[in-house]
Amino acid sequence: EPEVTQTPSHQVTQMGQEVILRCVPISNHLYFYWYRQILGQKVEFLVSFYNNEISEKSEIFDDQFSVERPDGSNFTLKIRSTKLEDSAMYFCASSDRAKNIQYFGAGTRLSVL
Amino acid sequence: AQSVTQPDIHITVSEGASLELRCNYSYGATPYLFWYVQSPGQGLQLLLKYFSGDTLVQGIKGFEAEFKRSQSSFNLRKPSVHWSDAAEYFCAVGISNFGNEKLTFGTGTRLTIIP
Repeated sequence: EPEVTQTPSHQVTQMGQEVILRCVPISNHLYFYWYRQILGQKVEFLVSFYNNEISEKSEIFDDQFSVERPDGSNFTLKIRSTKLEDSAMYFCASSDRAKNIQYFGAGTRLSVL
Repeated sequence: AQSVTQPDIHITVSEGASLELRCNYSYGATPYLFWYVQSPGQGLQLLLKYFSGDTLVQGIKGFEAEFKRSQSSFNLRKPSVHWSDAAEYFCAVGISNFGNEKLTFGTGTRLTIIP
């Protein structure tokens, strides 16, 4: 069964460093998303992406965040200068229009020290 | 804006017993409702969804959920739980059916199964 793949599974970085979280969505999907889950809290929407542009973003998704689909398969989330409060599990999801179901990856745990 | 409430933070159930996890939503129109399960160290797996039609929906692993518009609820049920059902369960609401919408999640219910 097709699945969303995220790498790395765990990323440790120093405060102020840039990180790039990578995702390979399901191949025929057109809509892509990032969510995050701070430890012990609920899953929160960050951004949705379609047709090579951001469709919607939350207030969390400030200028430090960016997303990109650099080629036909990858979907990335970049945090330019990480802060301690960026420590969280980041989930990538994808969906197709026909089924309208978001399929999630296993997540990348980001630890900012 | 839409919101989801899962009033039970933690539920403990004996193996073989029945289960009901509560979910209430707030949204002005007909929502699109989902239950996801997250096992330790895993991602979010879709259990079931409600878009329209029959208000009782069947999902994977023997789960079902019932949409009750009058109560703004979408409770998840299972007649007999297995030890492997121990996980975190999230209810979520989506606001459109056009493929490009955000999901708003509840805070989750952690399910513990005792022998």
